Amino acid sequence: SAVISQKPSRDICQRGTSLTIQCQVDSQVTMMFWYRQQPGQSLTLIATANQGSEATYESGFVIDKFPISRPNLTFSTLTVSNMSPEDSSIYLCSVLHHPNTGELFFGEGSRLTVL
Amino acid sequence: QQQVKQSPQSLIVQKGGISIINCAYENTAFDYFPWYQQFPGKGPALLIAIRPDVSEKKEGRFTISFNKSAKQFSLHIMDSQPGDSATYFCAAPCLPYDASKLTFGTGTRLQVTL
Repeated sequence: SAVISQKPSRDICQRGTSLTIQCQVDSQVTMMFWYRQQPGQSLTLIATANQGSEATYESGFVIDKFPISRPNLTFSTLTVSNMSPEDSSIYLCSVLHHPNTGELFFGEGSRLTVL
Repeated sequence: QQQVKQSPQSLIVQKGGISIINCAYENTAFDYFPWYQQFPGKGPALLIAIRPDVSEKKEGRFTISFNKSAKQFSLHIMDSQPGDSATYFCAAPCLPYDASKLTFGTGTRLQVTL
């Protein structure tokens, strides 16, 4: 299994500001992902964080709004830029520890509230 | 992108009863169908998964039934317990033969009462 730590666990931010969420994994992993879970809703994939290259974004998500870094095989950050109340969500880091199993491990999430 | 339709949205079951959650998917080229369990304040965790070469997989009180022709799969929780109260998500791969990126159903909030 993989143990994933996310910081911050929660934050309250003002409209127009930016927040960076950190994700640390206890082992090297090839694939890391960022998901968004709006209150009471399902999980939506934002992007795949690629080590050493730009992240791959899903439809509806852009780099200017959600810049992602992946400096090594155990760490990634997601920034939510120029926040609005619509960005209030739980942001979840996820890793694929063993590609053959297909099992995703998730962090506990970062609950963001934008006022 | 693969769509996954999940029902019901919420479910209340008495302790000892059977909980049944259903999912329907679109594309038969996909080959991996997991269920995730999420407790409040926690990230989702893999509960059980199935590949379409079998029609059923059982792990303890949890069973996945898979109907390839109907493009449906369901989760059965036998002898439901209060500790099973959580939100359950079905999922399917976004791309064929690539289980790394998943699209999730809308979730079912299960409450098991005493």
